[in-house]
Amino acid sequence: RKEVEQDPGPFNVPEGATVAFNCTYSNSASQSFFWYRQDCRKEPKLLMSVYSSGNEDGRFTAQLNRASQYISLLIRDSKLSDSATYLCVVRPSGTYKYIFGTGTRLKVLA
Amino acid sequence: DGGITQSPKYLFRKEGQNVTLSCEQNLNHDAMYWYRQDPGQGLRLIYYSQIVNDFQKGDIAEGYSVSREKKESFPLTVTSAQKNPTAFYLCASMDGSGANVLTFGAGSRLTVL
Repeated sequence: RKEVEQDPGPFNVPEGATVAFNCTYSNSASQSFFWYRQDCRKEPKLLMSVYSSGNEDGRFTAQLNRASQYISLLIRDSKLSDSATYLCVVRPSGTYKYIFGTGTRLKVLA
Repeated sequence: DGGITQSPKYLFRKEGQNVTLSCEQNLNHDAMYWYRQDPGQGLRLIYYSQIVNDFQKGDIAEGYSVSREKKESFPLTVTSAQKNPTAFYLCASMDGSGANVLTFGAGSRLTVL
């Protein structure tokens, strides 16, 4: 089993739609969680950190479920510019290592 | 502006040659990382360094070497022992102040001819 697993997609959604991605992790001692966005042939950029209480940034909402060991990302009112690959990142406690999922590709269609 | 600079952006190498990728940061971050990304794949950790003069192997260190003589610099050498070196190489640093967010450079794309 991979340490961090994501559905690779692609998720093809129309503009204005709501879309949700899940990411599961295997290490129950994981401490820090993040969602990154990566555009084609570019570096990943932080979208948001994920906190235990859940957090929201505009149209984006992230949730953490420690009991089931997954994190989620919800995007509301999708824009064409949201088309990208979304990477789930987990950092286990007691380590400096960050573990990346393979990413979920999103295409927002006009 | 603070950030991470990687060079060169594109690099072509003949088989059997070593090549060094540069990574410089002016963010005053202690920790630095090298990742490799293959098409359609996630990022895989090559090496990381928590402090100057110290570094640890990641998951795919074979065929690579690093040094960390200065806080700002973490160069990666891709040696001829690396069997499939063609990839997108990403350098990152981490603030360590609490947010623990990774910040990436723009990457170096290596092609072996």
